[in-house]
Amino acid sequence: GQNIDQPTEMTATEGAIVQINCTYQTSGFNGLFWYQQHAGEAPTFLSYNVLDGLEEKGRFSSFLSRSKGYSYLLLKELQMKDSASYLCAAFNTDKLIFGTGTRLQVFP
Amino acid sequence: DVKVTQSSRYLVKRTGEKVFLECVQDMDHENMFWYRQDPGLGLRLIYFSYDVKMKEKGDIPEGYSVSREKKERFSLILESASTNQTSMYLCASSAGQGLSPLHFGNGTRLTVT
Repeated sequence: GQNIDQPTEMTATEGAIVQINCTYQTSGFNGLFWYQQHAGEAPTFLSYNVLDGLEEKGRFSSFLSRSKGYSYLLLKELQMKDSASYLCAAFNTDKLIFGTGTRLQVFP
Repeated sequence: DVKVTQSSRYLVKRTGEKVFLECVQDMDHENMFWYRQDPGLGLRLIYFSYDVKMKEKGDIPEGYSVSREKKERFSLILESASTNQTSMYLCASSAGQGLSPLHFGNGTRLTVT
């Protein structure tokens, strides 16, 4: 079967660091994607990991452990505009399977 | 920048109507996808296509069909709309095979009454 789990909601303070975790169980796993989705808008691509380790892209970093079926998205120096849903998605053989998303609220 | 355009932002249809949702991408991408997004359920894959005239069922194809007559256009068809098909529909495209990021359209919010 296929299963992707991530927390439903998180809150954080402006300027802080937040880590959004994602665990997955899929057959034919090829890679892990992270998307950001603001309310009422389309998801936009943030990053992806194929191999174990950390990928850094400015304020955002993503980590993958294939052996543990685990990934996280790290957001540094949080800004108010980072309030959004963050979607974890596993690439499974030939298609992308999404988790239900983590809604992040950033407070001043 | 990749542009994925969905023909309607909001759509209201009656139960039993045939509904067409159109999607066009302008980056010559081989792959196109239709998802629906519902609260608490996330994005679920309905159908996808890796080439013209080719289609594959996703996780929830029941009640839907698709058409890909041209590379840039991927249409989702609801043969006989039902109230449980009220949802946000998102079209996406990506380049080539394998690990290419999906680029999404702005979505069509369909209400079936």
